[in-house]
Amino acid sequence: DIQMTQSPSSLSASVGDRVTITCRASQSVTTYLNWYQQKPGKAPKLLIYAASSLQSGVPSRFSGSGSGTDFTLTISSLQPEDFATYCCQQTYITPYTFGQGTDLEVK
Amino acid sequence: EVQLVESGGGLVKPGGSLRLSCAASGFTFNSYSMNWVRQASGKGLEWVSSINPSGSRIYYADSVKGRFTISRDNARNSLNLQMNSLRVEDTAVYYCARDRGGSYSGNDYWGRGTLVTVSA
Repeated sequence: DIQMTQSPSSLSASVGDRVTITCRASQSVTTYLNWYQQKPGKAPKLLIYAASSLQSGVPSRFSGSGSGTDFTLTISSLQPEDFATYCCQQTYITPYTFGQGTDLEVK
Repeated sequence: EVQLVESGGGLVKPGGSLRLSCAASGFTFNSYSMNWVRQASGKGLEWVSSINPSGSRIYYADSVKGRFTISRDNARNSLNLQMNSLRVEDTAVYYCARDRGGSYSGNDYWGRGTLVTVSA
């Protein structure tokens, strides 16, 4: 199975900050990499698919990059509604593994 | 509007069975692969199973293989997960999620989830 490792596990930031979260795959997933946002008690929301494609309706302050084994999710200017948990998922090969998540908290 | 509504969760004893259902609406159900994803309390997401639009290709996580069966009824726009030989570690919120389609996957619509609790 492909292991997905995110860093950091938690992050404190302020409104307006630029934030970057990293996801590393244990083997290449080419660009079959997705990013989700999840708030407490809610279902995940797809932000980025195919490593860098913005899902419809997602604000442009979210962006993704990377290929192979190393990927990043960047939020260019944090907004109050962005404090949540973020996780990556590879859909290159089953099992479609998720990262453990990054909790983005208010500083 | 795309809607996915899960049902069938509840409390069951170890070794028992449950059948989850997901009612889909607002899109052409038989054109999309569908997935079950679960999340134990305070834990991360875990992909459970996927099924392609026709039901001819099915995949499972090793943790549920041989115990869970995914199926779909395209005439009724429903997705199902038959869960047998349940274990305490199967306790989680189970989400039904649509694959966005195209060359690259990603689950673009999710239900609210249904809680499965396995406990003696």
